[in-house]
Amino acid sequence: NAGVTQTPKFRILKIGQSMTLQCTQDMNHNYMYWYRQDPGMGLKLIYYSVGAGITDKGEVPNGYNVSRSTTEDFPLRLELAAPSQTSVYFCASRPPVGGEQYFGPGTRLTVT
Amino acid sequence: GQQLNQSPQSMFIQEGEDVSMNCTSSSIFNTWLWYKQDPGEGPVLLIALYKAGELTSNGRLTAQFGITRKDSFLNISASIPSDVGIYFCAGHNGTTTDSWGKLQFGAGTQVVVTP
Repeated sequence: NAGVTQTPKFRILKIGQSMTLQCTQDMNHNYMYWYRQDPGMGLKLIYYSVGAGITDKGEVPNGYNVSRSTTEDFPLRLELAAPSQTSVYFCASRPPVGGEQYFGPGTRLTVT
Repeated sequence: GQQLNQSPQSMFIQEGEDVSMNCTSSSIFNTWLWYKQDPGEGPVLLIALYKAGELTSNGRLTAQFGITRKDSFLNISASIPSDVGIYFCAGHNGTTTDSWGKLQFGAGTQVVVTP
């Protein structure tokens, strides 16, 4: 199993541009999560999903959108990039039972 | 909202020394998790704790779920250079079958190991 994979690994955006961060897991996990990590801080939850077609906002959802059309994929969309969205983004998944979340390698995004 | 306080913020230790870090919460948790993050990588799960008082080891790592359910600690014994990284605690206040499983994360403890 590849686990949780994320693309791209790095990206530089100009203010106002849009992009989609991709996340795929091959563990057949129902639950998936998007976090952002700012320097010296813990992880902040952006959006999460309990299964295909079901998503909900986390702690810091403003400026982001998600969709979950399949169990495997959970893309995160930035519509109008702002400098405040410069961060490292992590996708995670977990099985139905048990609290452990498994993380992807992250996407480092810079908005200038 | 809930707050997770993780300390210390950073530690500079010599190879061979033991390391101890802890997390406290303003609310009760039902699950405590400890992760390690290497530079440029995602967090990797080290230990999961599910019961108050539980003490669990993973090699040189030992973690405990506090009796009050509001704290947890992680010990690393006989540190080696590859122990360098950021260690995060995370807590979950639902049951293990909670429908969303949202985690609260500490800010992390940066560990630097010198030879």
